[in-house]
Amino acid sequence: QSVLTQPPSVSAAPGQKVTISCSGSTSNIGNNFVSWYQQVPGTAPKLLIYDNDKRPSGIPDRFSGSKSGTSATLGITGLQTGDEAYYYCGTWDSSLSVGGVFGGGTRLTVL
Amino acid sequence: EVQLVESGGGLVKPGGSLRLSCAGSGFTFSSYSMNWVRQAPGKGLEWVASIPSSSSFTSQADSVKGRFTISRDNAKNSLYLQMSSLRAEDTAVYYCVRYASATYDYWGQGTLVTVSS
Repeated sequence: QSVLTQPPSVSAAPGQKVTISCSGSTSNIGNNFVSWYQQVPGTAPKLLIYDNDKRPSGIPDRFSGSKSGTSATLGITGLQTGDEAYYYCGTWDSSLSVGGVFGGGTRLTVL
Repeated sequence: EVQLVESGGGLVKPGGSLRLSCAGSGFTFSSYSMNWVRQAPGKGLEWVASIPSSSSFTSQADSVKGRFTISRDNAKNSLYLQMSSLRAEDTAVYYCVRYASATYDYWGQGTLVTVSS
């Protein structure tokens, strides 16, 4: 059972927009920055969003992040077939050990 | 270009030991905290252990405490994970991960550890 809760799957058509939610509590999302990672099956996770809404160099602005209270959201616009992947949210939890905590992952299917 | 390359994975029997290594390049390895994060087959991500740049202390997840030891050699730009008393539930891909600015910003390609008799 993951500390952060994500929907198992989402889907949308090419060119459309999709959002992925990540729900937590005051001990994690409520008081810490949230990151998002993209994992294409068979490859390593890649940082997509950090500090709730910042994109690393090279990440297109089709990807966006936001946070409100104890929840965070990843948004992807202009969906492409190459966006098919698993998406994980991550943060820290002040009530647990010092390492990061993650959501269970959401599988994005571009129909 | 930042690169993290893991090695040392393989098949080991329950109760056995294994040492994973991670070679860092393209950045000042000695300036960053480093971590191991694992992913069991078909499952999500789980933080395993972390070590700051100075090796002043280490931290491990409760699931591996007392069995896994994280260490580093800054002169060799290398991170290690010594795993002992391995269990079937330790079967996973182990990723070497750099920590910076409150996030895990770079991940290695991973090395598979399979614990089975």
